[in-house]
Amino acid sequence: ETGVTQSPTHLIKTRGQQVTLRCSSQSGHNTVSWYQQALGQGPQFIFQYYREEENGRGNFPPRFSGLQFPNYSSELNVNALELDDSALYLCASSLEGFGGYTFGSGTRLTVV
Amino acid sequence: KQEVTQIPAALSVPEGENLVLNCSFTDSAIYNLQWFRQDPGKGLTSLLLIQSSQREQTSGRLNASLDKSSGRSTLYIAASQPGDSATYLCAAKKGNTPLVFGKGTRLSVIA
Repeated sequence: ETGVTQSPTHLIKTRGQQVTLRCSSQSGHNTVSWYQQALGQGPQFIFQYYREEENGRGNFPPRFSGLQFPNYSSELNVNALELDDSALYLCASSLEGFGGYTFGSGTRLTVV
Repeated sequence: KQEVTQIPAALSVPEGENLVLNCSFTDSAIYNLQWFRQDPGKGLTSLLLIQSSQREQTSGRLNASLDKSSGRSTLYIAASQPGDSATYLCAAKKGNTPLVFGKGTRLSVIA
């Protein structure tokens, strides 16, 4: 059983640029959620995808967008990067949005 | 709106000590509660998942309890080891809403 994999592990971007983060869900899971974790804080929910549709969104602006593909992998896109977007971005997969969540190792994004 | 609080924010104990981490949540109508471990700069590793119908779950030296009526969960770690040093996060789930996390307890086990 493969776990959740995220890529890249680290990246540095300049303010105003765009970034795409990728996530492969655990085998057998069909729901992917994205979280943003600032230093010293708990993860904050960005959005969730189920069967390629967004079915939940946290308090994040529209420049945060995503996709889910037929194989349940997912992308998080952030446009017009701001310094405050610097954080650890975590992807989690689950079955139908219920049960336990399995998290990836995260992508550390630094915006300079 | 669900809020999750973890106390203490940080804890330092000598190796071998038994310890308890606390998690409280404001909305008791949860579907499940999950405890995670996070090493510095890393992702989350699931430790224990307690369904709303359960009172506790055990895995090795870890035991998590759930009291929905009082809005509390505890994570008990027996015979702590330096390798247990990490941040421990609890997260509550209600229905098809997303996980709501506490800020975590940063544990240091001193050899």
